[in-house]
Amino acid sequence: NAGVMQNPRHLVRRRGQEARLRCSPMKGHSHVYWYRQLPEEGLKFMVYLQKENIIDESGMPKERFSAEFPKEGPSILRIQQVVRGDSAAYFCASSRQRNTEAFFGQGTRLTVV
Amino acid sequence: AQSVTQLDSHVSVSEGTPVLLRCNYSSSYSPSLFWYVQHPNKGLQLLLKYTSAATLVKGINGFEAEFKKSETSFHLTKPSAHMSDAAEYFCVVSDTRDFAGGTSYGKLTFGQGTILTVHP
Repeated sequence: NAGVMQNPRHLVRRRGQEARLRCSPMKGHSHVYWYRQLPEEGLKFMVYLQKENIIDESGMPKERFSAEFPKEGPSILRIQQVVRGDSAAYFCASSRQRNTEAFFGQGTRLTVV
Repeated sequence: AQSVTQLDSHVSVSEGTPVLLRCNYSSSYSPSLFWYVQHPNKGLQLLLKYTSAATLVKGINGFEAEFKKSETSFHLTKPSAHMSDAAEYFCVVSDTRDFAGGTSYGKLTFGQGTILTVHP
């Protein structure tokens, strides 16, 4: 059973471009969480999704950021018109149910130049 | 609102000596508490978790933590450090109250992290 898979592992974007980060949860997991880790900081919750539904997006910036978890395929975190301040590591976690342990992927390190 | 404070940003120990990483939490409800470890350029690995059962929790790689409600602490310890323990450690809290229809152990609040250095 493969773990949580995130790709790409590293992503470089120029200011103003779009970044798309993918997360494939563990097999049998239908709950996905996205976190952002800024340099020298701990992880900050962004959004919690269940298949086709956003359950909690209280940590998502109001503009330029969106997330989806379609019926088929990976969860996508999309950042439009990236700025230098978006440079961070973005981690995805998945769980089988709401009240079971969440497993983390290895993260996508986004660099905006 | 819940929060976590890791009292030391860096801890340095010699191999074979005890490790103590300190964590205090704040939670309005009965919390679940976790310690995660992150090795450089790697994902996060769960070391151990407290979910209102025994207050002394044993985890992987010889680590353990004690939940002390009166002190609102959840310090991580290991009797003897190994070189492979060098990493960043995060204390994490999750409220067990309902939100959006149910408890979630995936919506977590992380501390700032403690970098553990182990000297030969």
